[in-house]
Amino acid sequence: KQEVTQIPAALSVPEGENLVLNCSFTDSAIYNLQWFRQDPGKGLTSLLLIQSSQREQTSGRLNASLDKSSGRSTLYIAASQPGDSATYLCAVNSGSARQLTFGSGTQLTVLP
Amino acid sequence: DTAVSQTPKYLVTQMGNDKSIKCEQNLGHDTMYWYKQDSKKFLKIMFSYNNKELIINETVPNRFSPKSPDKAHLNLHINSLELGDSAVYFCASSHLAGVGNEQFFGPGTRLTVL
Repeated sequence: KQEVTQIPAALSVPEGENLVLNCSFTDSAIYNLQWFRQDPGKGLTSLLLIQSSQREQTSGRLNASLDKSSGRSTLYIAASQPGDSATYLCAVNSGSARQLTFGSGTQLTVLP
Repeated sequence: DTAVSQTPKYLVTQMGNDKSIKCEQNLGHDTMYWYKQDSKKFLKIMFSYNNKELIINETVPNRFSPKSPDKAHLNLHINSLELGDSAVYFCASSHLAGVGNEQFFGPGTRLTVL
């Protein structure tokens, strides 16, 4: 059974800092991995999708890496801004139904 | 255009009632999902339908019955609501065998059982 862990659970940084969010998963037989952003009381916004054959994906100030063999992914946020404050969720796509297994999230606060 | 939509957005009801949540996607996807986000914000798969057929049913009480009238719709009916059913329910869709298999989520339905 796939299990996904995210560290840290919460992170508070001053504006402008670069930061890394970590995600680990137990079963390396995955199709892909998605990083989402969730604002309080809102839905999920897909940030990046990395296929199992890929090592990284970039979108603007965001860079996600994937090391499938070690069961790890990182989300790198460059030059953080207060608007980046949200909960970031890592989700691994695996299983016969290609369902997503989510981590518990990292709550990020970027201080002005 | 809304890709994945859910109604209602908020649902407040009494214990013991029966309620439904509707989901529609206009992305042409063949697979739809229901996820539950509990009070601790943990998201977990409940059901998955591919081409109107159930392909996954996690450990969910049989008071929850999904119905897929066509590929674009996946509704969730809940009988005899309990306090523990209070959560946010998210619908999602994807193309199961497509490149990427990226899942797109609806805005969520916040269910409160009193």
